[in-house]
Amino acid sequence: DVKVTQSSRYLVKRTGEKVFLECVQDMDHENMFWYRQDPGLGLRLIYFSYDVKMKEKGDIPEGYSVSREKKERFSLILESASTNQTSMYLCASNLRDGTEAFFGQGTRLTVV
Amino acid sequence: ELKVEQNPLFLSMQEGKNYTIYCNYSTTSDRLYWYRQDPGKSLESLFVLLSNGAVKQEGRLMASLDTKARLSTLHITAAVHDLSATYFCAVDALIQGAQKLVFGQGTRLTINP
Repeated sequence: DVKVTQSSRYLVKRTGEKVFLECVQDMDHENMFWYRQDPGLGLRLIYFSYDVKMKEKGDIPEGYSVSREKKERFSLILESASTNQTSMYLCASNLRDGTEAFFGQGTRLTVV
Repeated sequence: ELKVEQNPLFLSMQEGKNYTIYCNYSTTSDRLYWYRQDPGKSLESLFVLLSNGAVKQEGRLMASLDTKARLSTLHITAAVHDLSATYFCAVDALIQGAQKLVFGQGTRLTINP
């Protein structure tokens, strides 16, 4: 059974805190993605990675960074959390040839 | 920039009726995916369409892809309440040397008894 696991389902952080969202997949996928989902805006791509130590900006990278030190793990970092980063964050992965992506269960982050 | 647009964004329909959700995209791609999301849950893969003219069916849902028109459709036949959910299409395209997966805004489908 394929699995993408996000470290937390719910997080509450204070403005200015550094926040780490972790994602692990067990399918040996090359590609990994971070999206945020907001009402009326669908899923917007923050960053993606197509290999270890490789990263590419998505459509809304401002205020975020990522780390991919191992193939199975892709971390999203909020250097200094702000209230406008309150959102649902979804991690996904797929194979390099672009087959369907599998999603984690999501992390609902609230920044107060 | 790759744009993926779904239509309609909200759809309320009665059980037993048929309807179609449309997904248009702005760049060349022959890979399109449909996902379902239930409230508070993550995305579940429904269909993978990998070539022009591809058609996939699962129960009351049928998806098709026309890469020349850059259009995919998700057709619902004789809707039942269990199909109430938000449906997303996503396009896989090579952009600036990297393979990106870009989603539409989602269509929130409500099926009433």
